[in-house]
Amino acid sequence: DAGVTQSPTHLIKTRGQQVTLRCSPKSGHDTVSWYQQALGQGPQFIFQYYEEEERQRGNFPDRFSGHQFPNYSSELNVNALLLGDSALYLCASSTNNYEQYFGPGTRLTVT
Amino acid sequence: AQKITQTQPGMFVQEKEAVTLDCTYDTSDQSYGLFWYKQPSSGEMIFLIYQGSYDEQNATEGRYSLNFQKARKSANLVISASQLGDSAMYFCAMREADLSGGYQKVTFGTGTKLQVIP
Repeated sequence: DAGVTQSPTHLIKTRGQQVTLRCSPKSGHDTVSWYQQALGQGPQFIFQYYEEEERQRGNFPDRFSGHQFPNYSSELNVNALLLGDSALYLCASSTNNYEQYFGPGTRLTVT
Repeated sequence: AQKITQTQPGMFVQEKEAVTLDCTYDTSDQSYGLFWYKQPSSGEMIFLIYQGSYDEQNATEGRYSLNFQKARKSANLVISASQLGDSAMYFCAMREADLSGGYQKVTFGTGTKLQVIP
């Protein structure tokens, strides 16, 4: 049983560019949440997707957007990248709002 | 105000000894859940243990137990018989219900770095 997978593993982008991160949830899970974890900090909630709709959103600007597909996989898009967007981006999947299983993360570096 | 407070940035423990990692939380909800996650240097968040606010007994999972004191709003993680592989960051997190009674975001603390000494 595959767990949560994320791609790519690492990514280097330049300020002002756009990036798309991908997440496939654990089998049987229908809810995907995205988190940003800056170095030395705890993860910060970005948003959550359920039934292809954004259900909850944290305190992040509109530059951060997402999508969930019918197979429950999800994308996180960040536009107009800033240096401060450099972080580990974690995807977590769950069902019935219980235990969240996290993926290995995508490490984004903005130069 | 911080929703989740972890006051120990770093902890050391001797191998085979027990260690307690502190976590206090702040919520006005009656229904909430508390989690502990382990994050090794590889970056992946590993679920350890869960305690629901209505659970009367403290949660246990193998060498992990959660010392849940609701009145004090604390949810400390106890790791018994520490192993070298326990060296990692540990995060306490809380899930609260939103206004519609559905699921809301999970809020994480700032973490405690545990180092197990041989």
